[in-house]
Amino acid sequence: GQNIDQPTEMTATEGAIVQINCTYQTSGFNGLFWYQQHAGEAPTFLSYNVLDGLEEKGRFSSFLSRSKGYSYLLLKELQMKDSASYLCAVKDSNYQLIWGAGTKLIIKP
Amino acid sequence: DAMVIQNPRYQVTQFGKPVTLSCSQTLNHNVMYWYQQKSSQAPKLLFHYYDKDFNNEADTPDNFQSRRPNTSFCFLDIRSPGLGDAAMYLCATSTASGSGANVLTFGAGSRLTVL
Repeated sequence: GQNIDQPTEMTATEGAIVQINCTYQTSGFNGLFWYQQHAGEAPTFLSYNVLDGLEEKGRFSSFLSRSKGYSYLLLKELQMKDSASYLCAVKDSNYQLIWGAGTKLIIKP
Repeated sequence: DAMVIQNPRYQVTQFGKPVTLSCSQTLNHNVMYWYQQKSSQAPKLLFHYYDKDFNNEADTPDNFQSRRPNTSFCFLDIRSPGLGDAAMYLCATSTASGSGANVLTFGAGSRLTVL
């Protein structure tokens, strides 16, 4: 079966750095997405990786290793508004999106 | 601003009483999706349309139906809601399915409560 694994919950301190990991086992790979979802709201797109390496976008970076079936989302200079769930999703060989259950990130002052 | 709009934002219904949720988009995207998301779970794809081509996920219950009368609108009908259907229903759009990033743009969601 296809599977996306992420930690259920993480806690970090305002101003710090946090890394949210995602491992995947899918039938094929055609890209990996990270979405942010605030409580009770719709997911919003953060990043897309299709080749190995690091993609940087402001305070957020996303890394991909296809050989390891692994990605992480790195959030720097954490702000209280970054408290949200972060969803990892992989597009498989049929171009279907396989979603993880999300990592709830709690930011403490 | 181009966007995806869902109505209603909150819907309360009684067990077995039909419900229709609507979604409209001004992005002119080819593909529209309906997802069901329960608390702390991954979004679950129910249907998607590529233009007028309807794609039903194999495990979507028959209790769920969808209509796309034109490229801008899509509806989700729940014929006989059960307690297990209480969830957030998310509409999303993208430019095309297949290769490429095809980033999904989501609406704000419709939260369904079944009494």
